[in-house]
Amino acid sequence: EDQVTQSPEALRLQEGESSSLNCSYTVSGLRGLFWYRQDPGKGPEFLFTLYSAGEEKEKERLKATLTKKESFLHITAPKPEDSATYLCAVQAGGTDSWGKLQFGAGTQVVVTP
Amino acid sequence: DAGVTQSPTHLIKTRGQHVTLRCSPISGHKSVSWYQQVLGQGPQFIFQYYEKEERGRGNFPDRFSARQFPNYSSELNVNALLLGDSALYLCASSFLALGNEQFFGPGTRLTVL
Repeated sequence: EDQVTQSPEALRLQEGESSSLNCSYTVSGLRGLFWYRQDPGKGPEFLFTLYSAGEEKEKERLKATLTKKESFLHITAPKPEDSATYLCAVQAGGTDSWGKLQFGAGTQVVVTP
Repeated sequence: DAGVTQSPTHLIKTRGQHVTLRCSPISGHKSVSWYQQVLGQGPQFIFQYYEKEERGRGNFPDRFSARQFPNYSSELNVNALLLGDSALYLCASSFLALGNEQFFGPGTRLTVL
């Protein structure tokens, strides 16, 4: 069965203190790995799609990387507005999964001034 | 451009009642997926519709049903509500059924008393 595990569950950072979030996955043929940001009580906001090992994507202070077993979301010099829950999801290959996204439980990030 | 819209924003029902949630996808998107998110967890896949046909179904009881209309909007219906159905219900749209990012709406917060 497809599985996504995110660590740590929670992360408290000082403004400017860089860190990384981990997403490890087991899936029968990876069609894509997706990162989302979610603010309390709101829908997830799309950040990145990664398709193959070695791929990297960058946006402002965020950078996502992918290996065959895990993905990392690096937050460089975070600001308080980066505080959110970051969700990782995988889409498996095979027609029985179709477009289903399998999510991890998320990492709650708090950045203090 | 309008993003994914959902209605209503909040809903309070009692056990045994029925509920209908509505979703309008991003213009041009033909795929709509529904997810359930309980507090502290990642979203769980319920259904995917593409070109008005059901393409995927998650591990939810038959009390949950959905449909997609010719204009690609969608409804999620839940019968015989249980206390455990209280959650944030998220709708996501994508251009294709497979392999591309899904964009989420703001969600409908359902409370079952």
